[in-house]
Amino acid sequence: AQSVAQPEDQVNVAEGNPLTVKCTYSVSGNPYLFWYVQYPNRGLQFLLKYITGDNLVKGSYGFEAEFNKSQTSFHLKKPSALVSDSALYFCAVRVPNTNAGKSTFGDGTTLTVKP
Amino acid sequence: KAGVTQTPRYLIKTRGQQVTLSCSPISGHRSVSWYQQTPGQGLQFLFEYFSETQRNKGNFPGRFSGRQFSNSRSEMNVSTLELGDSALYLCASSQEGVLVEQYFGPGTRLTVT
Repeated sequence: AQSVAQPEDQVNVAEGNPLTVKCTYSVSGNPYLFWYVQYPNRGLQFLLKYITGDNLVKGSYGFEAEFNKSQTSFHLKKPSALVSDSALYFCAVRVPNTNAGKSTFGDGTTLTVKP
Repeated sequence: KAGVTQTPRYLIKTRGQQVTLSCSPISGHRSVSWYQQTPGQGLQFLFEYFSETQRNKGNFPGRFSGRQFSNSRSEMNVSTLELGDSALYLCASSQEGVLVEQYFGPGTRLTVT
Protein backbone atom coordinates (compact mmCIF):
# COMPACT_ATOMS: atom_id res chain seq x y z
CA ALA A 1 0.00 0.00 0.00
CA GLN A 2 1.19 3.51 -0.72
CA SER A 3 1.74 6.15 1.92
CA VAL A 4 2.83 9.76 2.13
CA ALA A 5 4.52 11.52 5.04
CA GLN A 6 4.80 15.22 5.64
CA PRO A 7 7.13 15.35 8.63
CA GLU A 8 6.40 18.95 9.58
CA ASP A 9 2.97 20.02 10.80
CA GLN A 10 4.00 23.66 10.59
CA VAL A 11 6.56 25.66 8.64
CA ASN A 12 7.24 29.31 9.41
CA VAL A 13 9.24 31.57 7.12
CA ALA A 14 9.75 35.28 6.68
CA GLU A 15 8.47 36.98 3.56
CA GLY A 16 11.14 37.07 0.87
CA ASN A 17 12.97 34.03 2.23
CA PRO A 18 13.02 30.68 0.45
CA LEU A 19 10.58 28.05 1.66
CA THR A 20 10.59 24.26 1.65
CA VAL A 21 7.72 21.96 2.54
CA LYS A 22 8.85 18.36 2.87
CA CYS A 23 7.22 15.20 1.56
CA THR A 24 8.35 11.60 1.48
CA TYR A 25 6.50 8.68 -0.01
CA SER A 26 6.37 4.92 0.02
CA VAL A 27 4.99 3.00 -2.95
CA SER A 28 5.54 -0.16 -4.93
CA GLY A 29 6.65 0.88 -8.36
CA ASN A 30 7.01 4.30 -9.87
CA PRO A 31 5.00 7.03 -8.15
CA TYR A 32 3.00 9.85 -9.59
CA LEU A 33 3.33 12.75 -7.13
CA PHE A 34 1.20 15.84 -6.65
CA TRP A 35 1.12 18.97 -4.52
CA TYR A 36 -2.09 20.73 -3.60
CA VAL A 37 -2.79 23.85 -1.57
CA GLN A 38 -5.84 24.58 0.55
CA TYR A 39 -6.89 28.05 1.65
CA PRO A 40 -9.36 28.50 4.54
CA ASN A 41 -12.89 27.39 3.71
CA ARG A 42 -11.83 26.28 0.24
CA GLY A 43 -11.20 22.99 -1.50
CA LEU A 44 -7.77 21.87 -2.58
CA GLN A 45 -6.10 23.51 -5.57
CA PHE A 46 -3.60 21.71 -7.77
CA LEU A 47 -0.07 23.19 -7.75
CA LEU A 48 2.13 20.78 -9.66
CA LYS A 49 2.84 17.15 -10.42
CA TYR A 50 5.69 14.78 -11.21
CA ILE A 51 5.02 12.00 -13.66
CA THR A 52 8.34 11.29 -15.33
CA GLY A 53 11.32 13.10 -16.82
CA ASP A 54 13.05 16.11 -15.31
CA ASN A 55 13.31 15.81 -11.54
CA LEU A 56 12.62 19.52 -11.06
CA VAL A 57 9.00 20.33 -11.71
CA LYS A 58 7.65 23.87 -11.99
CA GLY A 59 4.08 24.71 -11.10
CA SER A 60 1.66 27.49 -10.30
CA TYR A 61 2.41 30.68 -8.34
CA GLY A 62 6.19 30.25 -8.61
CA PHE A 63 6.30 26.93 -6.78
CA GLU A 64 8.53 24.08 -7.82
CA ALA A 65 9.26 20.62 -6.48
CA GLU A 66 12.21 18.30 -6.70
CA PHE A 67 11.73 14.57 -7.12
CA ASN A 68 14.46 12.48 -5.53
CA LYS A 69 14.03 8.78 -6.18
CA SER A 70 16.85 7.59 -3.94
CA GLN A 71 15.49 9.52 -0.97
CA THR A 72 11.82 8.89 -1.97
CA SER A 73 11.13 12.57 -1.52
CA PHE A 74 9.21 15.25 -3.34
CA HIS A 75 9.84 18.52 -1.51
CA LEU A 76 7.94 21.66 -2.45
CA LYS A 77 10.00 24.84 -2.80
CA LYS A 78 9.72 28.49 -3.61
CA PRO A 79 12.68 30.89 -3.90
CA SER A 80 10.92 33.86 -2.31
CA ALA A 81 7.89 33.42 -0.06
CA LEU A 82 4.89 35.74 -0.03
CA VAL A 83 2.47 36.37 2.82
CA SER A 84 -0.28 35.18 0.47
CA ASP A 85 1.42 31.75 0.30
CA SER A 86 0.23 31.09 3.85
CA ALA A 87 -2.04 28.06 3.58
CA LEU A 88 -2.27 24.31 4.15
CA TYR A 89 -0.21 22.21 1.74
CA PHE A 90 -0.81 18.57 0.87
CA CYS A 91 1.41 16.11 -0.90
CA ALA A 92 -0.35 13.20 -2.67
CA VAL A 93 0.66 10.05 -4.51
CA ARG A 94 -0.95 7.84 -7.09
CA VAL A 95 0.39 4.53 -8.30
CA PRO A 96 0.33 3.22 -11.87
CA ASN A 97 -1.89 0.28 -12.67
CA THR A 98 -4.35 1.18 -9.96
CA ASN A 99 -7.69 2.85 -10.20
CA ALA A 100 -7.18 6.44 -11.17
CA GLY A 101 -9.51 8.11 -8.74
CA LYS A 102 -7.74 7.30 -5.52
CA SER A 103 -5.05 9.62 -4.24
CA THR A 104 -3.26 9.04 -0.97
CA PHE A 105 -2.58 12.29 0.84
CA GLY A 106 -0.15 13.31 3.53
CA ASP A 107 -1.48 14.90 6.69
CA GLY A 108 -0.74 18.39 5.45
CA THR A 109 1.70 21.13 6.42
CA THR A 110 0.58 24.57 7.51
CA LEU A 111 2.79 27.22 5.98
CA THR A 112 2.87 30.61 7.64
CA VAL A 113 4.73 33.44 5.95
CA LYS A 114 5.31 36.43 8.21
CA PRO A 115 5.79 39.98 6.88
CA LYS B 1 -15.14 26.43 -17.59
CA ALA B 2 -17.08 26.16 -14.34
CA GLY B 3 -15.36 24.44 -11.45
CA VAL B 4 -16.56 21.63 -9.23
CA THR B 5 -19.64 22.63 -7.29
CA GLN B 6 -20.91 21.07 -4.10
CA THR B 7 -24.23 21.57 -2.37
CA PRO B 8 -25.07 22.37 0.28
CA ARG B 9 -22.01 24.18 1.62
CA TYR B 10 -23.02 23.82 5.25
CA LEU B 11 -25.25 21.32 6.96
CA ILE B 12 -26.25 20.65 10.56
CA LYS B 13 -27.81 17.30 11.38
CA THR B 14 -28.72 15.34 14.48
CA ARG B 15 -27.33 11.94 15.40
CA GLY B 16 -29.29 9.16 13.77
CA GLN B 17 -30.43 11.22 10.81
CA GLN B 18 -29.26 10.69 7.28
CA VAL B 19 -27.79 13.19 4.83
CA THR B 20 -27.23 13.47 1.10
CA LEU B 21 -24.49 15.60 -0.39
CA SER B 22 -24.27 16.56 -4.05
CA CYS B 23 -21.36 17.18 -6.39
CA SER B 24 -21.31 18.47 -9.96
CA PRO B 25 -17.97 17.83 -11.68
CA ILE B 26 -16.23 19.93 -14.26
CA SER B 27 -17.81 19.46 -17.67
CA GLY B 28 -16.20 16.53 -19.43
CA HIS B 29 -14.83 14.92 -16.28
CA ARG B 30 -16.20 11.45 -15.75
CA SER B 31 -14.28 10.51 -12.60
CA VAL B 32 -15.64 11.77 -9.29
CA SER B 33 -14.00 10.99 -5.96
CA TRP B 34 -15.12 11.79 -2.44
CA TYR B 35 -12.88 12.52 0.55
CA GLN B 36 -13.53 13.18 4.21
CA GLN B 37 -11.35 15.81 5.83
CA THR B 38 -11.04 16.06 9.60
CA PRO B 39 -8.39 17.71 11.80
CA GLY B 40 -7.43 14.39 13.36
CA GLN B 41 -7.50 12.05 10.36
CA GLY B 42 -6.56 14.37 7.51
CA LEU B 43 -7.89 13.55 4.07
CA GLN B 44 -9.43 10.10 3.87
CA PHE B 45 -10.58 8.57 0.60
CA LEU B 46 -14.22 7.49 0.59
CA PHE B 47 -14.93 6.23 -2.91
CA GLU B 48 -14.57 6.95 -6.60
CA TYR B 49 -17.11 6.72 -9.38
CA PHE B 50 -16.50 6.54 -13.08
CA SER B 51 -19.25 6.22 -15.68
CA GLU B 52 -21.85 5.49 -13.01
CA THR B 53 -19.80 2.63 -11.51
CA GLN B 54 -18.01 2.60 -8.20
CA ARG B 55 -14.39 1.77 -9.05
CA ASN B 56 -12.71 2.16 -5.72
CA LYS B 57 -13.75 2.31 -2.10
CA GLY B 58 -11.97 3.41 1.05
CA ASN B 59 -12.19 1.97 4.54
CA PHE B 60 -15.46 3.44 5.67
CA PRO B 61 -18.50 1.64 7.08
CA GLY B 62 -21.46 0.76 4.91
CA ARG B 63 -23.34 3.78 6.26
CA PHE B 64 -21.41 5.74 3.66
CA SER B 65 -22.64 5.21 0.13
CA GLY B 66 -22.68 7.03 -3.13
CA ARG B 67 -23.81 7.01 -6.68
CA GLN B 68 -23.14 8.71 -9.97
CA PHE B 69 -25.63 9.72 -12.60
CA SER B 70 -25.36 9.58 -16.36
CA ASN B 71 -24.39 13.28 -16.47
CA SER B 72 -21.47 12.49 -14.08
CA ARG B 73 -23.05 14.32 -11.17
CA SER B 74 -22.54 12.41 -7.96
CA GLU B 75 -24.19 12.13 -4.59
CA MET B 76 -22.98 10.64 -1.36
CA ASN B 77 -25.25 9.53 1.43
CA VAL B 78 -24.52 8.95 5.07
CA SER B 79 -27.13 7.11 7.08
CA THR B 80 -27.52 6.90 10.85
CA LEU B 81 -25.24 9.85 11.45
CA GLU B 82 -22.74 9.73 14.31
CA LEU B 83 -20.94 12.60 16.02
CA GLY B 84 -17.70 11.41 14.45
CA ASP B 85 -19.10 12.01 10.97
CA SER B 86 -18.70 15.74 11.48
CA ALA B 87 -16.21 16.76 8.82
CA LEU B 88 -15.59 18.61 5.60
CA TYR B 89 -16.61 16.39 2.69
CA LEU B 90 -14.72 17.13 -0.48
CA CYS B 91 -15.59 16.07 -3.98
CA ALA B 92 -12.95 15.94 -6.70
CA SER B 93 -13.33 15.41 -10.41
CA SER B 94 -10.77 14.53 -13.02
CA GLN B 95 -10.34 13.28 -16.51
CA GLU B 96 -9.66 9.61 -16.93
CA GLY B 97 -6.20 8.34 -16.07
CA VAL B 98 -3.82 8.08 -13.15
CA LEU B 99 -1.53 10.79 -14.52
CA VAL B 100 -4.01 13.62 -14.16
CA GLU B 101 -4.62 15.96 -11.28
CA GLN B 102 -7.89 16.22 -9.44
CA TYR B 103 -10.02 19.34 -9.20
CA PHE B 104 -11.71 19.85 -5.87
CA GLY B 105 -14.93 21.53 -4.93
CA PRO B 106 -15.20 23.85 -1.91
CA GLY B 107 -16.63 21.06 0.22
CA THR B 108 -19.68 20.53 2.37
CA ARG B 109 -19.18 21.20 6.06
CA LEU B 110 -21.27 18.67 7.96
CA THR B 111 -21.87 19.13 11.67
CA VAL B 112 -23.58 16.35 13.58
CA THR B 113 -25.03 17.29 16.98
